[in-house]
Amino acid sequence: QKEVEQNSGPLSVPEGAIASLNCTYSDRGSQSFFWYRQYSGKSPELIMFIYSNGDKEDGRFTAQLNKASQYVSLLIRDSQPSDSATYLCALRGGYQKVTFGIGTKLQVIP
Amino acid sequence: EPEVTQTPSHQVTQMGQEVILRCVPISNHLYFYWYRQILGQKVEFLVSFYNNEISEKSEIFDDQFSVERPDGSNFTLKIRSTKLEDSAMYFCASSGTAGVSTDTQYFGPGTRLTVL
Repeated sequence: QKEVEQNSGPLSVPEGAIASLNCTYSDRGSQSFFWYRQYSGKSPELIMFIYSNGDKEDGRFTAQLNKASQYVSLLIRDSQPSDSATYLCALRGGYQKVTFGIGTKLQVIP
Repeated sequence: EPEVTQTPSHQVTQMGQEVILRCVPISNHLYFYWYRQILGQKVEFLVSFYNNEISEKSEIFDDQFSVERPDGSNFTLKIRSTKLEDSAMYFCASSGTAGVSTDTQYFGPGTRLTVL
């Protein structure tokens, strides 16, 4: 059983600060890792995916993967009020199924 | 930009009735999925579909559920006899073109199913 653990929050950060979102997982066979953003009542929207250990940057977002520690994180630089949402960590193993965490609710305070 | 579409946006039904949720995946995608999210809970995988057959399903996807690709564009989820606990947001997703990684799944806007 693949489990994805996230702190449900809320995580509050002031506007312009760095938001750090964390996720751990239980299945060492997991191959692909995703961060989705979900606004209330809306569908998940892909922000980033990462497959290899290390950092991957895309604009204000940086995903970090450490397979040895079974840890994935997402950093959001220069946080904006529009970044306020729930951030879902997800992973895929050897098949098509994507397993999601409960999500961390981020609040960016103007 | 291509997107997954779903209809209806909201479906209200009586317990025991059959419902069909409809999805139009991104046109050149080959893999199709259904997920559900009960209010306040995780997004949960239901089923994946490829080459006109189910490729993977979860324990949630029991005999009450079925999926179909009735034509070249639509992908449907049928719940034969709805229960109160089927009330949730149902998301369709699609991924993968020929020769390209199937990893990135793109989600539709969802259908909110309310069973009374």
